[in-house]
Amino acid sequence: GQQLNQSPQSMFIQEGEDVSMNCTSSSIFNTWLWYKQDPGEGPVLLIALYKAGELTSNGRLTAQFGITRKDSFLNISASIPSDVGIYFCAGRTGNQFYFGTGTSLTVIP
Amino acid sequence: DTEVTQTPKHLVMGMTNKKSLKCEQHMGHRAMYWYKQKAKKPPELMFVYSYEKLSINESVPSRFSPECPNSSLLNLHLHALQPEDSALYLCASSQDYGYTFGSGTRLTVV
Repeated sequence: GQQLNQSPQSMFIQEGEDVSMNCTSSSIFNTWLWYKQDPGEGPVLLIALYKAGELTSNGRLTAQFGITRKDSFLNISASIPSDVGIYFCAGRTGNQFYFGTGTSLTVIP
Repeated sequence: DTEVTQTPKHLVMGMTNKKSLKCEQHMGHRAMYWYKQKAKKPPELMFVYSYEKLSINESVPSRFSPECPNSSLLNLHLHALQPEDSALYLCASSQDYGYTFGSGTRLTVV
């Protein structure tokens, strides 16, 4: 399947700091999704993006659908301990979704 | 109901056992998926059902056998598994846009 490259692979930040991560692909996608996964649980959808250039917020989270349709960005402002987890991007084409390699976020109180 | 429900949550099975994983959704989604996920890795697609028909099989070994009895249910039958099949098995459904994932079945093969 297609590989989406996510960076950084891991982040260790102080509580209150802002976080940025991104996802890039060699292919164009029609939809970009961002998920968070806690240990032993399924991924939970955070934000969905449907058109190039779209900027969408969900509380402290903001995500953007890149103009080229080959990338997407997720920002978390004023991080808190419960933001800990693995964040996955996913790109959709047709009825198939392709996942990024994941960003592991650790928030130090 | 906006959930995907998976049972059991945990399963330990021997290599000669036969077991089944179950997934249920009542959101009217017409596409359902099985994913396998190893620790700290992204989910890997196994099977896709669209309108109750198997549409994608990502070269999964025959010891995994999916079944979609109706539009709300998806099963994954397991037989003669190997220890390397131990993983979190996720079910998801979708309609038009994003997936909704279940919380998964943690499978351990001993």
